Amino acid sequence: SQTIHQWPATLVQPVGSPLSLECTVEGTSNPNLYWYRQAAGRGLQLLFYSVGIGQISSEVPQNLSASRPQDRQFILSSKKLLLSDSGFYLCAWSVGWDSPLHFGNGTRLTVT
Amino acid sequence: SQQGEEDPQALSIQEGENATMNCSYKTSINNLQWYRQNSGRGLVHLILIRSNEREKHSGRLRVTLDTSKKSSSLLITASRAADTASYFCATAIDRGSTLGRLYFGRGTQLTVWP
Repeated sequence: SQTIHQWPATLVQPVGSPLSLECTVEGTSNPNLYWYRQAAGRGLQLLFYSVGIGQISSEVPQNLSASRPQDRQFILSSKKLLLSDSGFYLCAWSVGWDSPLHFGNGTRLTVT
Repeated sequence: SQQGEEDPQALSIQEGENATMNCSYKTSINNLQWYRQNSGRGLVHLILIRSNEREKHSGRLRVTLDTSKKSSSLLITASRAADTASYFCATAIDRGSTLGRLYFGRGTQLTVWP
């Protein structure tokens, strides 16, 4: 069966520090991968979307970036965090463009 | 915005009652999906309904889709306290450059009292 791992679960980082969140999927090949951010009491904002290794589409121009170094690994990064980067970051995967998303348990990021 | 918008923002009912949540969207879609999120957790997929479908059932869940009105509804029958969660609709836009991307609304917070 397929599983998705996302870590860390919680993170507290100072403004200006770098960020690296990692997400890996097991049990499937060539999944579509997603990074979403959820602000407190808000909906999910699509940040990045990938259909294959090295293929990243950005939805929101920010100080965040994403990389897909391996088929089932998706990394969200920042060189310098801003206060506004605080939120709940969710990684997800799907088998195809018209299939349901399967989410990880998320990372709660607090930038202080 | 390409996002769906859920209505109401919050819903509070007693166990055994039915809960109805609505979703409206703006652009042509390929499919519409409903998800559930327990507090502090990831989202769990409930139902996917395609643009050529009008109604779909899964257990106590019933979803309708009206593409002419660009709206969908999620009905939970005989609700239970365990149904307490946030419910989101998500739309898959029917355009080539955005295929595969799901856009979420802000959700409906459902509270079911024992």
